[in-house]
Amino acid sequence: DTEVTQTPKHLVMGMTNKKSLKCEQHMGHRAMYWYKQKAKKPPELMFVYSYEKLSINESVPSRFSPECPNSSLLNLHLHALQPEDSALYLCASSTPRLAGVDTDTQYFGPGTRLTVL
Amino acid sequence: SQQGEEDPQALSIQEGENATMNCSYKTSINNLQWYRQNSGRGLVHLILIRSNEREKHSGRLRVTLDTSKKSSSLLITASRAADTASYFCASSTGGFKTIFGAGTRLFVKA
Repeated sequence: DTEVTQTPKHLVMGMTNKKSLKCEQHMGHRAMYWYKQKAKKPPELMFVYSYEKLSINESVPSRFSPECPNSSLLNLHLHALQPEDSALYLCASSTPRLAGVDTDTQYFGPGTRLTVL
Repeated sequence: SQQGEEDPQALSIQEGENATMNCSYKTSINNLQWYRQNSGRGLVHLILIRSNEREKHSGRLRVTLDTSKKSSSLLITASRAADTASYFCASSTGGFKTIFGAGTRLFVKA
């Protein structure tokens, strides 16, 4: 199984709502990532989890709250978002760094298209 | 901020022609990768080239890396309409941080 799945595919929420994005992989990868991508722009890294511990937080506003309950799951909890947070949210995973292994290759899910009204 | 710059920003070619995209980066890297993204979908990894490699091939793809110029190029030979997509270079400096270039939008006309 070389697939990263993301749910939901589309999400529309108001600025006072609380919602969650979910990402799942069963490739045994121990690094998982959240990216934000605006239209016609490259993905921007938000968070990285390594072995279920938060490794990188790219100064993301606290209205985005990541969670990694186990090695296969990654959530992104959303609360009090702004319209400018509307974007495609991409999840990715990769193998942990090992000698002689191309560990930087990331496998991406299809994304969640988020619209904040 | 993104450290990679890509050119051209957009490229339109006929089916069967070759497409070349260029990428520049600013700091020393461990490796550089190229990804493809079809409209509004996830990214698909195409090829990875390590900092000690100069050229790599995979099917119709040829990637070069010039660390002295901090640049890379992706060549797609005998392009097909299905190659229409956005192409991003992504540089890794170690750790888990991968920085994506601005991307080239390729349109292949049938």
